[in-house]
Amino acid sequence: DAGVIQSPRHEVTEMGQEVTLRCKPISGHDYLFWYRQTMMRGLELLIYFNNNVPIDDSGMPEDRFSAKMPNASFSTLKIQPSEPRDSAVYFCASSLGTGSNQPQHFGDGTRLSIL
Amino acid sequence: GENVEQHPSTLSVQEGDSAVIKCTYSDSASNYFPWYKQELGKRPQLIIDIRSNVGEKKDQRIAVTLNKTAKHFSLHITETQPEDSAVYFCGGSNYKLTFGKGTLLTVNP
Repeated sequence: DAGVIQSPRHEVTEMGQEVTLRCKPISGHDYLFWYRQTMMRGLELLIYFNNNVPIDDSGMPEDRFSAKMPNASFSTLKIQPSEPRDSAVYFCASSLGTGSNQPQHFGDGTRLSIL
Repeated sequence: GENVEQHPSTLSVQEGDSAVIKCTYSDSASNYFPWYKQELGKRPQLIIDIRSNVGEKKDQRIAVTLNKTAKHFSLHITETQPEDSAVYFCGGSNYKLTFGKGTLLTVNP
């Protein structure tokens, strides 16, 4: 089991540029979660999908953020245009069910720096 | 929605001592409470979880207790070792998981 795979591991770009983060969940997991981690706000849930369908995007900070899951093995989180305050570590996680009764498995994260 | 408060934010203990981290939650419908350990620069990893129909769960040196009436749960680590040093996050979930702000545990040799 390869676990949840995220790419890139690090991304440094200038403000105003488009940023795309990628995630491959564990095979067979039907839930996928995107989190953002900062020192100030901790681990925040941005959006989660069930069977490729977005269920709750109430944590997405603003319209500059968008997420898609075109199939069961791939998801993207896009920021356009990026701003320095978007700098954070972005984690993807997957599970067999909702957090109500199944553990979430995290990827290694993408460390994003917006200059 | 759910609100999870975690205390303390930092905790320093001597090797071999016990460490206790406490969390409270607001949503009485929450029924799943995981604990994650995150080492510096690494991903959060699940170390133990408890469901609302259980009051206590143990796994070697780690235990979690849950008081549904008071809406609080705690992580207990006994015989701490330097490799236990990390940030620990509690979580509470009804239909989606909300994390506490984390506790930085330092175990001094």
